[in-house]
Order: sequence, then C-alpha cells, then structure tokens
Amino acid sequence: SAVISQKPSRDICQRGTSLTIQCQVDSQVTMMFWYRQQPGQSLTLIATANQGSEATYESGFVIDKFPISRPNLTFSTLTVSNMSPEDSSIYLCSGQGGNRGNEQFFGPGTRLTVL
Amino acid sequence: KQEVTQIPAALSVPEGENLVLNCSFTDSAIYNLQWFRQDPGKGLTSLLLIQSSQREQTSGRLNASLDKSSGRSTLYIAASQPGDSATYLCAVHNAGNMLTFGGGTRLMVKP
Repeated sequence: SAVISQKPSRDICQRGTSLTIQCQVDSQVTMMFWYRQQPGQSLTLIATANQGSEATYESGFVIDKFPISRPNLTFSTLTVSNMSPEDSSIYLCSGQGGNRGNEQFFGPGTRLTVL
Repeated sequence: KQEVTQIPAALSVPEGENLVLNCSFTDSAIYNLQWFRQDPGKGLTSLLLIQSSQREQTSGRLNASLDKSSGRSTLYIAASQPGDSATYLCAVHNAGNMLTFGGGTRLMVKP
C-alpha cells in the first residue's frame, strides 16, 4: 500500500524566515492534504493541495502565509512563510485515493520549532 | 459544521484489560470514519476505516463499530498491551474529502 514521506522531519527556525516542507507519495493519489497539529492539540486541516491549480484553504489559513504547490499526483510542498513562534507545530501531509481507496493516510510529520 | 468529540480524553488501564474508546459526531451525513493511532511526536497510523454503510470493522485485537444515525463510533481494544499506549484519534470524512478530527484519547497501558 502507498507510503508517504516528508522532508525535513524536524527543523528549528528563526522568526521571520520561511520553511518549505516536501511531501512525497510512492504512488499516485487523487487527493493530498496539509494539516497542522499544535502542541497538545488535535489536527486541523490547512488546505487541500490541488494538482496544477491553487490549493483550497480552510477558514483561518491564507495562501500568502501557507503557499502550497502540487505539480503532480505524487508530490506536494507546503511553505510556512514569515514564521513566528506561534507557527511551532507538527505539519502533516496526507493522501487519499489510488491503491488505498477512501482511506486517508499520513506522512510522519515535520516538527517545526520557531525561536 | 461537523464536530467530533472523544471520551475519555485520557485513560490508564492495567495490562490485559479490554477497553472501549468513544467517539461522537454531530452531523450524521458522513462518508466514512477512520480510527488512527499517534505515538508521541510521530505521524498518524490508520487503524480502521468504516464506510458509512458498514456497522463494524475488525483488525486483530481491534474492533470499531459505527452507528451513523446516533452519531457514534467505538473502538474496542481486547487484551490491552503496553505497546498499545498511544493517542487514539477518531476522524469523520464529510463532503469535500476533508477529515474532521476529535481531540483524541491518550491511552496508557501499565505492565
């Protein structure tokens, strides 16, 4: 069954900088999503990454802060821009479709700490 | 707007005990429901997926049930082991392919 990898697995960044997180699926999926998990909290959907077009963002999340790319059916990136300590979270990529059907499956996450 | 609630928020049991984790959701128009496991600082591992037309799914010592009309699901873990210690998350799948997550149940199984 399909597997998702994310890079980097963790990073410590300075305030005001940006970080791009990569998500790679080892087989084609229909849907890709980006979630945020703040410390001690559950997951919140940031956006749906659409292949070849602009991502669909959930309420409270905007493209200028979280630009997303999805150039093909197996790869997506999320950039966290102009970071502040409040952006310290685990960022998770997920996929759905392909050989895993309706099941949504997740990458290992990227643990981001902003100083 | 869909809301998902998990009870209890935390649970500590001795090894070998059978246990039930509860999940409730407000909007019964769901496509499916998934149970996940998350170890500290790690990503999510999908445990069971129940389609909206199904009543239950089983995998090893895990059994998940779904009562869509009442907006409830349970995850039953038989003969718990210390290795089962983790946070268990329930998520419902609505229109638009988005998952709405509950707050999770933090499980500790003591040897």
